[in-house]
Amino acid sequence: EAGVAQSPRYKIIEKRQSVAFWCNPISGHATLYWYQQILGQGPKLLIQFQNNGVVDDSQLPKDRFSAERLKGVDSTLKIQPAKLEDSAVYLCASSPDRGAFFGQGTRLTVV
Amino acid sequence: AQSVAQPEDQVNVAEGNPLTVKCTYSVSGNPYLFWYVQYPNRGLQFLLKYITGDNLVKGSYGFEAEFNKSQTSFHLKKPSALVSDSALYFCAVRGSSGSARQLTFGSGTQLTVLP
Repeated sequence: EAGVAQSPRYKIIEKRQSVAFWCNPISGHATLYWYQQILGQGPKLLIQFQNNGVVDDSQLPKDRFSAERLKGVDSTLKIQPAKLEDSAVYLCASSPDRGAFFGQGTRLTVV
Repeated sequence: AQSVAQPEDQVNVAEGNPLTVKCTYSVSGNPYLFWYVQYPNRGLQFLLKYITGDNLVKGSYGFEAEFNKSQTSFHLKKPSALVSDSALYFCAVRGSSGSARQLTFGSGTQLTVLP
């Protein structure tokens, strides 16, 4: 079974630039999560989708972050404009029911 | 709001000795509990989960965890540690209804197994 695919693996941008991350979940998984993991901390949920609808985006900084899951499959997470404190690993996960399977993440460095 | 506490940032254990990584949680309703492991530059890997049933859950790589409802704990254990078990371990909880359905992680515990 193919896992959760994320791209790019690494990204370096300057502050105030824009960046987008892509996630392809495991086929058939209805739930998709985006997490932000800052170095030395546990993953923090940014947004949770159920199919193509948003279940929880209470911790998403909506003034600069946006996410979509068109057709209930792939998802993109965008940051515009980026700040230095956005430097982190962005993890995508998908779930068939109660657990979650994670991608390898995208490491973002904002300079 | 639900939460997970991993009280130890770092756990060191000698190879061959038993290991325990502690986790306590707070959630409304019945908890679904998980342990994940993270190796350097890798994504989170699922180890085991408790949904219902037997309080002792067995998972990957010889790990097990014990659900204790009265103490709201879900400690990760292994009878004999390996150097290759050295990694960052995360406990996570999910509630069974409503807004508690999000998967919330603890801050992580770095396990180092010494040869």
